[in-house]
Amino acid sequence: TQLLEQSPQFLSIQEGENLTVYCNSSSVFSSLQWYRQEPGEGPVLLVTVVTGGEVKKLKRLTFQFGDARKDSSLHITAAQPGDTGLYLCAGVFRNNAGNMLTFGGGTRLMVKP
Amino acid sequence: DSGVTQTPKHLITATGQRVTLRCSPRSGDLSVYWYQQSLDQGLQFLIQYYNGEERAKGNILERFSAQQFPDLHSELNLSSLELGDSALYFCASSRDRGREQYFGPGTRLTVT
Repeated sequence: TQLLEQSPQFLSIQEGENLTVYCNSSSVFSSLQWYRQEPGEGPVLLVTVVTGGEVKKLKRLTFQFGDARKDSSLHITAAQPGDTGLYLCAGVFRNNAGNMLTFGGGTRLMVKP
Repeated sequence: DSGVTQTPKHLITATGQRVTLRCSPRSGDLSVYWYQQSLDQGLQFLIQYYNGEERAKGNILERFSAQQFPDLHSELNLSSLELGDSALYFCASSRDRGREQYFGPGTRLTVT
């Protein structure tokens, strides 16, 4: 069983602050995804990182995949109240069924104005 | 809007009862995945169907079953419900063996 641990579980910050969320595993994944989920809605895919060491930027969000493809981080610069939500990382692994996802426990972010 | 629809949005039922959750995947997607999200266990994969056939099983209880119909919509059947089954149930769809899954808005099940 591939396990993903996210930290921190909860984060409450003021608007304008920077933050980093971590996603760690002892397993190697073919790729890793980050999702954001808002109350009453399903997770929405933000990014997929594939190559070890890869860095992707989405406006104020920077995603990094570890060199060994076991861990990842999400950094948000100058957080805004609209960033509030549950952030989930998901490791992608391949089996006979195709590509499967295993999710981390999530980081619940609250950005106060 | 992901293009994946789920009904009902909310469901309240009593212990011991049986319910059916319904999912319609995005147009053209052949794979459907079911997940359970509870407060203490995060998002857990239950089962996957591809073009009508079961493809993979995760942490799905024997009291739960699913199927995918010829029109590709899927149903998740939960029986002999217990208080601990209260959770959000999400359906996701993807192209055949695709890496990207698109999630529906979920069904919130409350067992009283």
